[in-house]
Amino acid sequence: AQKITQTQPGMFVQEKEAVTLDCTYDTSDQSYGLFWYKQPSSGEMIFLIYQGSYDEQNATEGRYSLNFQKARKSANLVISASQLGDSAMYFCAMRRNTGNQFYFGTGTSLTVIP
Amino acid sequence: DSGVTQTPKHLITATGQRVTLRCSPRSGDLSVYWYQQSLDQGLQFLIQYYNGEERAKGNILERFSAQQFPDLHSELNLSSLELGDSALYFCASSVEVVSLYNEQFFGPGTRLTVL
Repeated sequence: AQKITQTQPGMFVQEKEAVTLDCTYDTSDQSYGLFWYKQPSSGEMIFLIYQGSYDEQNATEGRYSLNFQKARKSANLVISASQLGDSAMYFCAMRRNTGNQFYFGTGTSLTVIP
Repeated sequence: DSGVTQTPKHLITATGQRVTLRCSPRSGDLSVYWYQQSLDQGLQFLIQYYNGEERAKGNILERFSAQQFPDLHSELNLSSLELGDSALYFCASSVEVVSLYNEQFFGPGTRLTVL
């Protein structure tokens, strides 16, 4: 069963605009962690932001924020003031408390247009 | 630079062969994770080791095995290789295993091509 769903295979955003990348997850665990990673064309995976299932406030890291809606099981990444260097693949991931498993979505390719 | 090193960077081999991928975690990190990223399967979690012991298993094939050595480096062994095993193999490390928050630091990956 699909644990992480990213429904946007590709997204375009104008430079300096904000963009939201969607992520929904499926788990019956009460305790879990949600992550976003960026993968530029060079291939490395870069950690961006983390949200714990018990965190009441949305996580923020600089221009990145995570719009966490627990009841809807969604953890959307918001990138504000997009920059050309933000062009990359973005992966949403979940770590379940049960079995210590990690699950990644299929990714969203973001292109920032000058 | 994440501090995680992986060798080799590229590997080209033939079907039926066996290869070993090596990973050195960041200094101080006890957990090592292996992932496979292929075009059709996305990023798949394979296996995790913590301080030399296996802690979690994902979609790892029986033809694949891994271990973590006393110096904490890890090796992923892939045998009886098939064309479908061609992928980018990532190693990641983190400090601990018990916390849900485990920022994983990824290595640059090993690109495996099976001909």
